Amino acid sequence: DSGVTQTPKHLITATGQRVTLRCSPRSGDLSVYWYQQSLDQGLQFLIQYYNGEERAKGNILERFSAQQFPDLHSELNLSSLELGDSALYFCASSVDPSSAGELFFGEGSRLTVL
Amino acid sequence: AQSVTQLDSQVPVFEEAPVELRCNYSSSVSVYLFWYVQYPNQGLQLLLKYLSGSTLVKGINGFEAEFNKSQTSFHLRKPSVHISDTAEYFCAVSGGLGYSTLTFGKGTMLLVSP
Repeated sequence: DSGVTQTPKHLITATGQRVTLRCSPRSGDLSVYWYQQSLDQGLQFLIQYYNGEERAKGNILERFSAQQFPDLHSELNLSSLELGDSALYFCASSVDPSSAGELFFGEGSRLTVL
Repeated sequence: AQSVTQLDSQVPVFEEAPVELRCNYSSSVSVYLFWYVQYPNQGLQLLLKYLSGSTLVKGINGFEAEFNKSQTSFHLRKPSVHISDTAEYFCAVSGGLGYSTLTFGKGTMLLVSP
């Protein structure tokens, strides 16, 4: 158990809909990362937050947004969903941005768009 | 920009045989290198990392990796694998201290059979 909690574990929805994925980082970790894992693209970095502020942005679509709340949990919002958004979405956390890549991953939220 | 290439998408091997999973990277700056493992239906877990110093790095579960700067490689090895090592292995690179955003390779599925 990494200590990172993601909900829901599975989600099935229709094209055009909007979903919210939630992540609670390990106790004491200030930095949260979101990754998307799909068969064709592999693991893609989406976005990073540190102590409530956006720190780095990767290949995140404009239809996607995220935030980190004062209690340090984070939410990833996916809107106007398309079939291609079906993927496993991972949240990871670290103590701070200088943790030299030692990220702790949750078990992921599997999104299926029909 | 950084990139990681894992040349083998699948590596089948018999139990107790040695294994090497290959990883090559490209980067315009000094890097930190990592191997993560993903067991079925789980999140990623750090196996080992190279930050600086000795180029031979030992990790958990008997794995080790060697950093070769001239060949821009970071191959993962284990002298004798077990059935329980069946998993997907990801090589990753970050841009160094202060840049904990990871760029992952596409992964290598290690399939250990009796």
